[in-house]
Amino acid sequence: DAKTTQPNSMESNEEEPVHLPCNHSTISGTDYIHWYRQLPSQGPEYVIHGLTSNVNNRMASLAIAEDRKSSTLILHRATLRDAAVYYCILRDVESEGGSNYKLTFGKGTLLTVNP
Amino acid sequence: DGGITQSPKYLFRKEGQNVTLSCEQNLNHDAMYWYRQDPGQGLRLIYYSQIVNDFQKGDIAEGYSVSREKKESFPLTVTSAQKNPTAFYLCASSIGLGGVLTLPQHFGDGTRLSIL
Repeated sequence: DAKTTQPNSMESNEEEPVHLPCNHSTISGTDYIHWYRQLPSQGPEYVIHGLTSNVNNRMASLAIAEDRKSSTLILHRATLRDAAVYYCILRDVESEGGSNYKLTFGKGTLLTVNP
Repeated sequence: DGGITQSPKYLFRKEGQNVTLSCEQNLNHDAMYWYRQDPGQGLRLIYYSQIVNDFQKGDIAEGYSVSREKKESFPLTVTSAQKNPTAFYLCASSIGLGGVLTLPQHFGDGTRLSIL
């Protein structure tokens, strides 16, 4: 899977929007962009994914650059419960076999939400 | 609600002892996975299973064993051969393996294993 780069940490205030960036300059045409988050002492939780177009769901929005070399996860109104490590993952959905099924989590971005 | 249940949440192992971590899912997913997470690190794949009675080694299978006798269950045994078993173990599932079926993966809340 292609590599992603995220800031180590970010800080936000409660009820303000948060924009979490991810750079993926070596992304291929069949790589989907996935975001997961992991709250302390819990398993990762799926947030959102997309290929080319911007995506919205009840948790967040995903804005994908036109050249697909970067993307931004947007939390519209941060809450204390959104404090977590956020992972940006690329996944080539055409890859088959062996350990290609694993999810490669980097170190992600630690989001701190201030009350 | 459908989901993945891992038990116990905390587990302690004595030297030379095998321990089994439980993972049950009611999502009707065919594929299941075991990952290991060390402090401040990403996830590493231990084993995965595409279907009942079938499973494959991941990147760090040495010292671990699994079984898949039922679609809903994928227990992981940490054997005494695993020299550094202290870690956070995560079980996951997906609709299937290959292509878009692999994602998203749904995770349990993990089991934290420590050595006494």
